[in-house]
Amino acid sequence: KAGVTQTPRYLIKTRGQQVTLSCSPISGHRSVSWYQQTPGQGLQFLFEYFSETQRNKGNFPGRFSGRQFSNSRSEMNVSTLELGDSALYLCASSSAGGSTDTQYFGPGTRLTVL
Amino acid sequence: AQRVTQPEKLLSVFKGAPVELKCNYSYSGSPELFWYVQYSRQRLQLLLRHISRESIKGFTADLNKGETSFHLKKPFAQEEDSAMYYCALSGSAWGAQKLVFGQGTRLTINP
Repeated sequence: KAGVTQTPRYLIKTRGQQVTLSCSPISGHRSVSWYQQTPGQGLQFLFEYFSETQRNKGNFPGRFSGRQFSNSRSEMNVSTLELGDSALYLCASSSAGGSTDTQYFGPGTRLTVL
Repeated sequence: AQRVTQPEKLLSVFKGAPVELKCNYSYSGSPELFWYVQYSRQRLQLLLRHISRESIKGFTADLNKGETSFHLKKPFAQEEDSAMYYCALSGSAWGAQKLVFGQGTRLTINP
């Protein structure tokens, strides 16, 4: 099976712009989670989608949003970008979203905000 | 609040020596604990989870609820074990799709 894919891999934006990142889960997986990774804060959970519904949400401002499509692909959007949004954004998929399911991570999208 | 603490940012040991990466957690409910590893230029991947009670690549980890710890151990380190290791927690209340990660420990195995 192909692994989790994320596009684009690298992105450079300026403050105030918005950005959309895409994640394609492993075939058959219905749960997609997003994480932000920074040197200072480490890996932080953003949100999780299952069957097109947001089930869990982390402590991020409303500028961070996401959605999931019927084929389980997911997008996350960040509006009004700030310098502090520069980070590696990881998505992970799991099969049924159970409490002990393994999450499979993508390679990440490196976002740089200038 | 749930929290995972990995007290060592960096850990360096010699090949063949025992390795122990520490992980302590804070969670009032029933925790699920995981160790994830990221080798150089590879993506983050699951190493092991406490519920499986298995040994992966010679690593084991025991959940100690009394000490709220989930330390990762290997009796004889190998050079290919050099990587970034993250301890992670999920709660029965929200499931494994939301992981709370520690800050990570960079393990270096010296030849």
